[in-house]
Amino acid sequence: DQQVKQNSPSLSVQEGRISILNCDYTNSMFDYFLWYKKYPAEGPTFLISISSIKDKNEDGRFTVFLNKSAKHLSLHIVPSQPGDSAVYFCAASVGAGAGSYQLTFGKGTKLSVIP
Amino acid sequence: NAGVMQNPRHLVRRRGQEARLRCSPMKGHSHVYWYRQLPEEGLKFMVYLQKENIIDESGMPKERFSAEFPKEGPSILRIQQVVRGDSAAYFCASSPSVAGLRTEAFFGQGTRLTVV
Repeated sequence: DQQVKQNSPSLSVQEGRISILNCDYTNSMFDYFLWYKKYPAEGPTFLISISSIKDKNEDGRFTVFLNKSAKHLSLHIVPSQPGDSAVYFCAASVGAGAGSYQLTFGKGTKLSVIP
Repeated sequence: NAGVMQNPRHLVRRRGQEARLRCSPMKGHSHVYWYRQLPEEGLKFMVYLQKENIIDESGMPKERFSAEFPKEGPSILRIQQVVRGDSAAYFCASSPSVAGLRTEAFFGQGTRLTVV
């Protein structure tokens, strides 16, 4: 039972264009969502997060949108750069304190930014 | 400021042997989390430890797997009598507090275990 789904295993985007990575979840108890970036042979690196009380969070070129009614979130990268090429994981957690350390990850989307 | 250090980076074990994976958290971090990534899968939570205490091991297989985080030294994830299905990347993360994992989750580079 996959509670966090990233249905696109891969995505190719031209440099300078917008990259949109999607994530769906099924557990309505999730109230905090995170995006991680992972290069080969490295650990995941935190990118950006959003609480369920918000519908948008922006940090430089990265913006995360949350649609609670649709149980959907997306990560927008604009403009995309070749260095953004990596695997992006969507993750979610429940509550604050106890249980919040149990991040539930999607399977990831491999982004390739073409120069 | 060294990050989360995991060693070894790569570990090859024959079926039936023991695997020991080590994780040194970032300086000042007393909360450690282990996650496992099977091929073509996302990371899955295994265990959460604080110094000398296992707080939550609900993600750990009931047999053959154990974890510790002693007062001195790194956290150890131990897998006894490894089987081919244990082949995966094992990641450790640390944070200064339990809430900090949400915003300050620093992961190590992982240990890739291959069971032959």
